[in-house]
Amino acid sequence: AQTVTQSQPEMSVQEAETVTLSCTYDTSESDYYLFWYKQPPSRQMILVIRQEAYKQQNATENRFSVNFQKAAKSFSLKISDSQLGDAAMYFCAYRSVGAGGTSYGKLTFGQGTILTVHP
Amino acid sequence: DTGVSQDPRHKITKRGQNVTFRCDPISEHNRLYWYRQTLGQGPEFLTYFQNEAQLEKSRLLSDRFSAERPKGSFSTLEIQRTEQGDSAMYLCASSFAGNTIYFGEGSWLTVV
Repeated sequence: AQTVTQSQPEMSVQEAETVTLSCTYDTSESDYYLFWYKQPPSRQMILVIRQEAYKQQNATENRFSVNFQKAAKSFSLKISDSQLGDAAMYFCAYRSVGAGGTSYGKLTFGQGTILTVHP
Repeated sequence: DTGVSQDPRHKITKRGQNVTFRCDPISEHNRLYWYRQTLGQGPEFLTYFQNEAQLEKSRLLSDRFSAERPKGSFSTLEIQRTEQGDSAMYLCASSFAGNTIYFGEGSWLTVV
């Protein structure tokens, strides 16, 4: 079974600065997907960024980027130019690959990191 | 597209009572998931449907829990003989095949 670990229960950052959230995972699979989800205080989970394990290039979405280290089973999220609206709980998640190479089945989540953004 | 809709958003029930939550996925999404989340923790997988077929159930889904998706559209999650440990948020999510999973706002359950 896959496990996902987020070792930082809480992080804080000044507005406009950069912060990195850490995530490690354990799997015996060679192909899989990794995700970062954001859960603001309103509680609806929103996808921030995804990474396919077979891709060596790190995913980027505007101010959000990842550092994917497959051998180390590490998947960190970097938020640049932090904004007050970035304050939320962030979850790292893992999803297996099914037939045809597509994302398959359930997400396995880490414990989450609460991000506070100071003005 | 409307998002994933869950009802009720909040439920307070007495221990021993039965409760049922409903989830309406995004239209044409064939996969539907239920998760449970307690305060300050990550969501834990409960069960997963592809169309009307329940393909996977977690060991967390005790025999007091049952989920259905009778016509491959909306789904219900019923908890019988509720216990205080059932207090949590129950999240529903949906996707089309292996694409992005979208979450609802959740249904909060408090068992008193």
